[in-house]
Amino acid sequence: DAGVIQSPRHEVTEMGQEVTLRCKPISGHDYLFWYRQTMMRGLELLIYFNNNVPIDDSGMPEDRFSAKMPNASFSTLKIQPSEPRDSAVYFCASSFTEADTQYFGPGTRLTVL
Amino acid sequence: RKEVEQDPGPFNVPEGATVAFNCTYSNSASQSFFWYRQDCRKEPKLLMSVYSSGNEDGRFTAQLNRASQYISLLIRDSKLSDSATYLCVVGHNDMRFGAGTRLTVKP
Repeated sequence: DAGVIQSPRHEVTEMGQEVTLRCKPISGHDYLFWYRQTMMRGLELLIYFNNNVPIDDSGMPEDRFSAKMPNASFSTLKIQPSEPRDSAVYFCASSFTEADTQYFGPGTRLTVL
Repeated sequence: RKEVEQDPGPFNVPEGATVAFNCTYSNSASQSFFWYRQDCRKEPKLLMSVYSSGNEDGRFTAQLNRASQYISLLIRDSKLSDSATYLCVVGHNDMRFGAGTRLTVKP
């Protein structure tokens, strides 16, 4: 298996622009998680899905952030409009069950200027 | 109080040393416990699960103390390649990551 795939690996954009991050989970995993990691706040859970349905989005910072999972093999995290404080590494992870081992993608390093 | 707390370190130890990390959690109903390792500019990866009876994997030993609500990770005979950030993970209905403890092993 190729593992969790994320794209792009790096994204540099200007404040106010829309940013879309993409994730392909491991085939057969029913859970997909989006995290954000910064030096100041560590690894934060933003949202997670079970069988393509959002279960908990309480970690989504504000309305500028949205996430979708149109099918079992694809998810997006969108930021519109982006702000400099959104600069972070965004990880996608997947797992068989809610409390099972999570496998992380390589992350997207986002820089908002 | 944070749900999962770790000493951020950094821990700077010489090669061959034994080092131990602790992690406390607040939800007494937690059922799943893990240690993850994260190298600089890489994603977190599972190091080992933590079982109630404690478990060992080579130089690494993990223990769980439910009464005091903490888990620990012991690394014996540390190697340069052990330098990384170690994340404690505790799960109930979902998984909560600690902020991580940074370890640097020096020659």
